[in-house]
Amino acid sequence: EDQVTQSPEALRLQEGESSSLNCSYTVSGLRGLFWYRQDPGKGPEFLFTLYSAGEEKEKERLKATLTKKESFLHITAPKPEDSATYLCAVQPGGATNKLIFGTGTLLAVQP
Amino acid sequence: GAVVSQHPSRVICKSGTSVKIECRSLDFQATTMFWYRQFPKQSLMLMATSNEGSKATYEQGVEKDKFLINHASLTLSTLTVTSAHPEDSSFYICSASPGHLYGYTFGSGTRLTVV
Repeated sequence: EDQVTQSPEALRLQEGESSSLNCSYTVSGLRGLFWYRQDPGKGPEFLFTLYSAGEEKEKERLKATLTKKESFLHITAPKPEDSATYLCAVQPGGATNKLIFGTGTLLAVQP
Repeated sequence: GAVVSQHPSRVICKSGTSVKIECRSLDFQATTMFWYRQFPKQSLMLMATSNEGSKATYEQGVEKDKFLINHASLTLSTLTVTSAHPEDSSFYICSASPGHLYGYTFGSGTRLTVV
């Protein structure tokens, strides 16, 4: 069964304290792994898509990496405005376009 | 670019009534749109895939007669929650893909409260 597990469930950081969020997955043929940011009461905001093991993408203070079993979202020197829930999703192989989401990591960055 | 607009953002309705939620792709055409449901502190769960000009595809366990989906044009999909009950209260979100470089773009969501 296709499954996505994110850890930790919640993370509290001081401003400037770098850390990483984990997304472990089991899927029958990975077509893509997605990272999203979700603010309370809002829809997810697209961050990155990764397609193959070894791929890395960066955007400002965020960097996403991918292996055959997991993905990491590295946050360097976070700021309070980075506080949000970060969601990971995978798109299984086959004809479907559906995404399977993890339950997210709630990040709180304190000034 | 690549904006998905969803309305309304919040709706409160009485038990037994129906509610329609709209999802529009503003600057791209979407032959396929997706409807998700999210409960507090839980993951987004795909409810159905909306296909322009044809019937929607529903995920296992989702009642197609309760959650009516219409995708009448390349930029608009609607989800109607029929005979709503308090257990239908949730956060409903739609999405579409403008192309592989953009991933899947999500609407801002609709908070439905059935009283």
